[in-house]
Amino acid sequence: AQSVTQLGSHVSVSEGALVLLRCNYSSSVPPYLFWYVQYPNQGLQLLLKYTSAATLVKGINGFEAEFKKSETSFHLTKPSAHMSDAAEYFCAVGDTGRRALTFGSGTRLQVQP
Amino acid sequence: DTGVSQNPRHKITKRGQNVTFRCDPISEHNRLYWYRQTLGQGPEFLTYFQNEAQLEKSRLLSDRFSAERPKGSFSTLEIQRTEQGDSAMYLCASSSAGGGSDTQYFGPGTRLTVL
Repeated sequence: AQSVTQLGSHVSVSEGALVLLRCNYSSSVPPYLFWYVQYPNQGLQLLLKYTSAATLVKGINGFEAEFKKSETSFHLTKPSAHMSDAAEYFCAVGDTGRRALTFGSGTRLQVQP
Repeated sequence: DTGVSQNPRHKITKRGQNVTFRCDPISEHNRLYWYRQTLGQGPEFLTYFQNEAQLEKSRLLSDRFSAERPKGSFSTLEIQRTEQGDSAMYLCASSSAGGGSDTQYFGPGTRLTVL
């Protein structure tokens, strides 16, 4: 079964600094990969999705993620953090043939003024 | 295009009571999913419907849990004889049929507190 590891349950950056949130998946077969964001007391909002069309995926709100098969990673980045980026971020993986997504445990991003 | 809606948003119940949650997916989506999210964790898959057929169930879905999607539109998730361990956020998601892994769009969730 697929598994997802998000290194760092909490990440704190200054406003304007680079955001890097890490995600590693377990499969050797390129899966479908997602990043979702969750604001307090809300559901999950899709940031971006990797489906093998391109290794660098651009999402909403200035976020992007790069798929690296050799490292089984799909890290999320944003060049310049904004206060409104403070939220919980989840990496998820989908298998071909299964509809269920497997989520990581999440990384809470704090943005300091 | 309205998103996925869930009702109620919050539910407080006493241990042993039954509760039912409702999910209305995005109107053109034929796939519907239920997940459970406990504090500090990512969502965990519970079950999945394509139209009215329940095609996959997680081992997390004990016999106290039942989900239905009678007409292939809205879905209900019932928990019987609730336990304190059932306290969690219950998330519903929907997607439209397509190749590979289609994108799931999530509702705001129903937060269940079992006293």
